[in-house]
Amino acid sequence: DAGVIQSPRHEVTEMGQEVTLRCKPISGHDYLFWYRQTMMRGLELLIYFNNNVPIDDSGMPEDRFSAKMPNASFSTLKIQPSEPRDSAVYFCASSFYKGAGEQYFGPGTRLTVT
Amino acid sequence: QKEVEQDPGPLSVPEGAIVSLNCTYSNSAFQYFMWYRQYSRKGPELLMYTYSSGNKEDGRFTAQVDKSSKYISLFIRDSQPSDSATYLCAMRRSGGSNYKLTFGKGTLLTVNP
Repeated sequence: DAGVIQSPRHEVTEMGQEVTLRCKPISGHDYLFWYRQTMMRGLELLIYFNNNVPIDDSGMPEDRFSAKMPNASFSTLKIQPSEPRDSAVYFCASSFYKGAGEQYFGPGTRLTVT
Repeated sequence: QKEVEQDPGPLSVPEGAIVSLNCTYSNSAFQYFMWYRQYSRKGPELLMYTYSSGNKEDGRFTAQVDKSSKYISLFIRDSQPSDSATYLCAMRRSGGSNYKLTFGKGTLLTVNP
């Protein structure tokens, strides 16, 4: 299996622009998680889906952030409009409902908003 | 009080040393405990997980959970320079559909050759 795939790996954009991050979970996994990681705050859960349905979006910082999962193999995290404080590494992770529910992470998207 | 506390370090040890990494937590409902390793500019990688209390060993790595003290540990024996990374603990409740993990902030470990 290729693991969790994220694109782009790096994104540099100007304040006010729309940013779309993409994720393909591991085939067969039914949970998908979006995280943001910064030095100050560590790894923060933004939102997670179960069987393509959003379960908990309490970590989404504000209305500028939105996430969708139109099918089992694809999810997007969108920031519109972007701000410099959104600069961080964004990770997608997936897991299977059985067992410990251990999560497998993608390589991340490093976002810089200038 | 944060749900999961982890000393950020940094921790620097010589090659071959035994390393002890720890987390404390406040939520007694946590039942699954995991350790992730994150190399610089990479995603977290699952090392091992345990359920409830006890020990689990995998090669040079041993995970321990003491639920009575709400304390978990990861021991690395015969540490190698390739073990240099940030180690994050994570945990979650059991039952239902709650698969959300709560992470510590990570401990930065450097193993010097």
